[in-house]
Amino acid sequence: NAGVTQTPKFQVLKTGQSMTLQCAQDMNHEYMSWYRQDPGMGLRLIHYSVGAGITDQGEVPNGYNVSRSTTEDFPLRLLSAAPSQTSVYFCASSSPQVAKNIQYFGAGTRLSVL
Amino acid sequence: QQQVKQSPQSLIVQKGGISIINCAYENTAFDYFPWYQQFPGKGPALLIAIRPDVSEKKEGRFTISFNKSAKQFSLHIMDSQPGDSATYFCAASAGGTSYGKLTFGQGTILTVHP
Repeated sequence: NAGVTQTPKFQVLKTGQSMTLQCAQDMNHEYMSWYRQDPGMGLRLIHYSVGAGITDQGEVPNGYNVSRSTTEDFPLRLLSAAPSQTSVYFCASSSPQVAKNIQYFGAGTRLSVL
Repeated sequence: QQQVKQSPQSLIVQKGGISIINCAYENTAFDYFPWYQQFPGKGPALLIAIRPDVSEKKEGRFTISFNKSAKQFSLHIMDSQPGDSATYFCAASAGGTSYGKLTFGQGTILTVHP
C-alpha cells in the first residue's frame, strides 16, 4: 500500500517552460488536493477535486491547471513556469467515507524555476 | 488574507519541558481543527484533531485545547522529546462543499534540546 505517490521529487525549470507534477493514490479516496508550501506561509491550497471529472480552485490557483480523469490520479500542470512558482508542492488525498477529514500527504515535489 | 494565524514561528524547549503552539481563526464556518507534524523532506502527517463540540482532546503527550468563543486553539506537547523536533502546522476546514479543503497556519519550527 503506497499511499500518495508524487513524482518527480525534484525538478528545475527555466522560466516559460511547462511541466506536469504527477500525483497518484491507491486508497480509493474521492478527494484530492494540491498545496504549495513556502517559508512563513504554511501550506496553501492550489486546486481541489471531490471526484473524477470534478475540480475546483483553491486559494492560489493562478498559473496552474488540473484535471481528474480517474479516481487515482490528479496531475498538476504548469503551462508557463515563473520564478514565483518556486516552491515545494504537496498532493493530498482523503475520503469522507473513511477516517473523515484525515488528509494523507505525499512526500512532495521540490520545484525551482530559474 | 491569512484565515488561520499561528504563533510562535519558532520554539526552543528543553527535553522534558512543555511546548505550546497557538492558533487563531476567523472563519466561524470552520468545524474541524487538525494539527499536522512535518519532518524535513517529508509531507505533513496528521498528529491530532478536534471538533468544536469539545474543549480539549488528549492523545498521549499531545493535547489540543479549544476555545470556541475566542476562536483560538492550541497544541500542548508534554514531556517534549528531541524526536518531537519538527515543524507543526495548525489547520482548519469547514463542512459541506469545503469538506477536505484545509486552511493552514504559517507553521512553527519546534526544536527540543536534549
